[in-house]
Amino acid sequence: GAVVSQHPSWVICKSGTSVKIECRSLDFQATTMFWYRQFPKQSLMLMATSNEGSKATYEQGVEKDKFLINHASLTLSTLTVTSAHPEDSSFYICSARDAGSFDTEAFFGQGTRLTVV
Amino acid sequence: GQQLNQSPQSMFIQEGEDVSMNCTSSSIFNTWLWYKQDPGEGPVLLIALYKAGELTSNGRLTAQFGITRKDSFLNISASIPSDVGIYFCAGQRRGSNYKLTFGKGTLLTVNP
Repeated sequence: GAVVSQHPSWVICKSGTSVKIECRSLDFQATTMFWYRQFPKQSLMLMATSNEGSKATYEQGVEKDKFLINHASLTLSTLTVTSAHPEDSSFYICSARDAGSFDTEAFFGQGTRLTVV
Repeated sequence: GQQLNQSPQSMFIQEGEDVSMNCTSSSIFNTWLWYKQDPGEGPVLLIALYKAGELTSNGRLTAQFGITRKDSFLNISASIPSDVGIYFCAGQRRGSNYKLTFGKGTLLTVNP
């Protein structure tokens, strides 16, 4: 199957700093990528849809200025958590859909564990 | 956001047993997907279903897309210890820009 790589796998940062998470599609092009947040023992909650070459579409309740998304190429989307606070600590997961496929399923990265201290 | 109704929430079974889990929705989906997530990892796609009534197998896994398009089930036969994990259903609607709506997950524990 298609491979989606997320980096870093885990990160610890101080309150008030910003953290960038990368999501790459390794063997396919993705015009659309998705960013999710997952709390312990809970399901995945969609934060935003990242569209190549245009602005991201955020879900209701997600702060655009706090979670900056950039999708500058067909294989890379980045999520930047700005001015991080302890409540931003979570598991962040991206997914991507193969733009060249008729199939609609998305493939997920391995996730990034963010801990804000 | 909306979530699918997935049940059971958790299951404890003996190795070799079969297990079944399902998802229901109050509205129609055009695609149903089943994922497995191991601790600290991203979900891995198990089975994708695209047609109402479709029954698809992947090894010991079998999933069906309900006729009404409002439900789907996943069966695992002859469970083994490595089946342990959280299983999520996800639905996708046409025209939603491929957005997925997830169930709350089923935590499966297999006792050797």
